[in-house]
Amino acid sequence: NAGVTQTPKFQVLKTGQSMTLQCAQDMNHEYMSWYRQDPGMGLRLIHYSVGAGITDQGEVPNGYNVSRSTTEDFPLRLLSAAPSQTSVYFCASSYGSYTEAFFGQGTRLTVV
Amino acid sequence: AQTVTQSQPEMSVQEAETVTLSCTYDTSESDYYLFWYKQPPSRQMILVIRQEAYKQQNATENRFSVNFQKAAKSFSLKISDSQLGDAAMYFCAYRSASYSGSRLTFGEGTQLTVNP
Repeated sequence: NAGVTQTPKFQVLKTGQSMTLQCAQDMNHEYMSWYRQDPGMGLRLIHYSVGAGITDQGEVPNGYNVSRSTTEDFPLRLLSAAPSQTSVYFCASSYGSYTEAFFGQGTRLTVV
Repeated sequence: AQTVTQSQPEMSVQEAETVTLSCTYDTSESDYYLFWYKQPPSRQMILVIRQEAYKQQNATENRFSVNFQKAAKSFSLKISDSQLGDAAMYFCAYRSASYSGSRLTFGEGTQLTVNP
């Protein structure tokens, strides 16, 4: 059972480039979300989804897009990378809104 | 909006001793869940312990236990018989039970060092 799988683990982008961070889970979880982790700030919610076809913004959504065409996949798109988006990104999933979240391994993104 | 505060950026403990990490939160809700996550140098987020707000009994998982004070909005983590493998960043997190898709709100984290 793979759990939550994120790819890539590391990425360097130039300012203005776009890319997609992939996230897949095999636990049939309805709830999926993306967080970014910055030093001294904990994890902050970017976007989340409560099921296929349903997404909503979190605390820091600007510069990011998401879609949820299947239960398993929840990709995060950076539209035009900026140095302020240098961070570690985590995808998470959970069975319900009241249960603990399972996290992927994280993606360290550097924008130069 | 809910907030979670961890007032100890860094803590250290001697191997085999006990350490307590502090967490306070602010909410107007009565039904919610609290979690402690551990993040070792591998970066993986690992659930340590979970507490339902409606339960008066403090949660326990082996060497890890919490002191949940609902009225004081306090949720501390006690690690007994500390081991070198406990060294990690620890995050306290809050999750509302009131609406669907509720987010996890994290504290800033406490970096725990375990000295041999």
